[in-house]
Amino acid sequence: NAGVMQNPRHLVRRRGQEARLRCSPMKGHSHVYWYRQLPEEGLKFMVYLQKENIIDESGMPKERFSAEFPKEGPSILRIQQVVRGDSAAYFCASSVPGWLHTPYGYTFGSGTRLTVV
Amino acid sequence: AQTVTQSQPEMSVQEAETVTLSCTYDTSESDYYLFWYKQPPSRQMILVIRQEAYKQQNATENRFSVNFQKAAKSFSLKISDSQLGDAAMYFCAYRRGAWGGSNYKLTFGKGTLLTVNP
Repeated sequence: NAGVMQNPRHLVRRRGQEARLRCSPMKGHSHVYWYRQLPEEGLKFMVYLQKENIIDESGMPKERFSAEFPKEGPSILRIQQVVRGDSAAYFCASSVPGWLHTPYGYTFGSGTRLTVV
Repeated sequence: AQTVTQSQPEMSVQEAETVTLSCTYDTSESDYYLFWYKQPPSRQMILVIRQEAYKQQNATENRFSVNFQKAAKSFSLKISDSQLGDAAMYFCAYRRGAWGGSNYKLTFGKGTLLTVNP
């Protein structure tokens, strides 16, 4: 049973380009969460999605960032017109419905390291 | 808002010795969960141990144990018989309990980099 799969593992973009980060949740998981880890920082919540729905995007920057989780296919985190400050590791996690009433944490992917040059 | 503080940016330990990593948190909630995650150089986030706030007994997982002091809002991680493979960044994290709003969010500390010396 494969874990949470993120790709690419490393992504280099020039300033002004678009970055697309993909996340395939664990089999049977329909909830996806994106986190960002800036250098020397812990992970910070960005967005929570269920299939075809954005539940909470309170951690997303207001501009240039968007996320989706379509009915078919992986979840996508899109960053338009990237700037140097977007350089970070982006982590995806997934869960099954109903896990909120358990004491468990998420299952995380290995992250995508975005470098903006 | 909840905050998690790890006051030790770096720690080191000799192989086979014991080390304790500190974590304090701030919350007005009474029901919550606490976690320690390990992040080795591979960047994978690995859950090490978790603690439910309503449980008085400290959690233990093999060589890893916690000292949970609810009144002091302290949640330290003890690693016994340290091994070279324990070298990693360790993050303390908080999540609201089952009935708290936005309880799907994890709030992380900034991490402690643990070095294990042979």
